[in-house]
Amino acid sequence: EDKVVQSPLSLVVHEGDTVTLNCSYEVTNFRSLLWYKQEKKAPTFLFMLTSSGIEKKSGRLSSILDKKELFSILNITATQTGDSAVYLCAVGPSTSGTYKYIFGTGTRLKVLA
Amino acid sequence: DTAVSQTPKYLVTQMGNDKSIKCEQNLGHDTMYWYKQDSKKFLKIMFSYNNKELIINETVPNRFSPKSPDKAHLNLHINSLELGDSAVYFCASSGYNSPLHFGNGTRLTVT
Repeated sequence: EDKVVQSPLSLVVHEGDTVTLNCSYEVTNFRSLLWYKQEKKAPTFLFMLTSSGIEKKSGRLSSILDKKELFSILNITATQTGDSAVYLCAVGPSTSGTYKYIFGTGTRLKVLA
Repeated sequence: DTAVSQTPKYLVTQMGNDKSIKCEQNLGHDTMYWYKQDSKKFLKIMFSYNNKELIINETVPNRFSPKSPDKAHLNLHINSLELGDSAVYFCASSGYNSPLHFGNGTRLTVT
C-alpha cells in the first residue's frame, strides 16, 4: 500500500536554529513530491520536486528529493517564530493514471522566541 | 483572482441532516479533489475527478456523494450526517505539472 511517513511528528526549537524535516515514502511511479506549510487555514505551497537530487531553494527554506533512497528533506535555516506551522509532504499523482496525492501525517514545528 | 474557492466556510448542523459543500476553480485544471482533514491535521483523499469523471473513491461511506457538473466545479453532498463527519473538508485542483491548489476549507461541525 502506498505510504508517506514524516518525521519527527513534532519539534520545538528556538529562533535562529536550523531544522531538518524528513519525508520518506513507499509510492511507485509518481510524478512529484510536494511540500506545504499549514498554519490555521489551507496548506500553502512551498516546493514541488520532480527530479532526484535537485535542490529547490526559497529564502531560508530548501528541499531535496532522493528518488533512489525514497526520501525528501525540508531544511529551514535561521528559524523565526513565523515558521511555526505544520509542514506537510505529499507524493503523487501516480503515472499509472490514478489521480491522487498521498499525504504524510505532517511535522508540527514550534519556534520559540 | 485565480483560485480554488469553496463555500460555505463554516457549517454547523445536527446529526441526521443533509448538507452540501460547493467548490469552483478557475485555474483551468483538469483534476479536482476532496480531502478530509482530521483534528491532527492528517489530510486523507476522499474523491478525485478528472475532466468530470470519478477516478478515485477512497472507501468513503456512500452517504458522501460528489458531483462534478463540469471540470471547473466539484460539489460534495453529505446525507444523514454523523458526529464522526466533523472535520475540515478541503477542495483542491491540479494540472499536469502543477502542485495541488487548495480551497480555504469548510469546517463542518456535527452536533
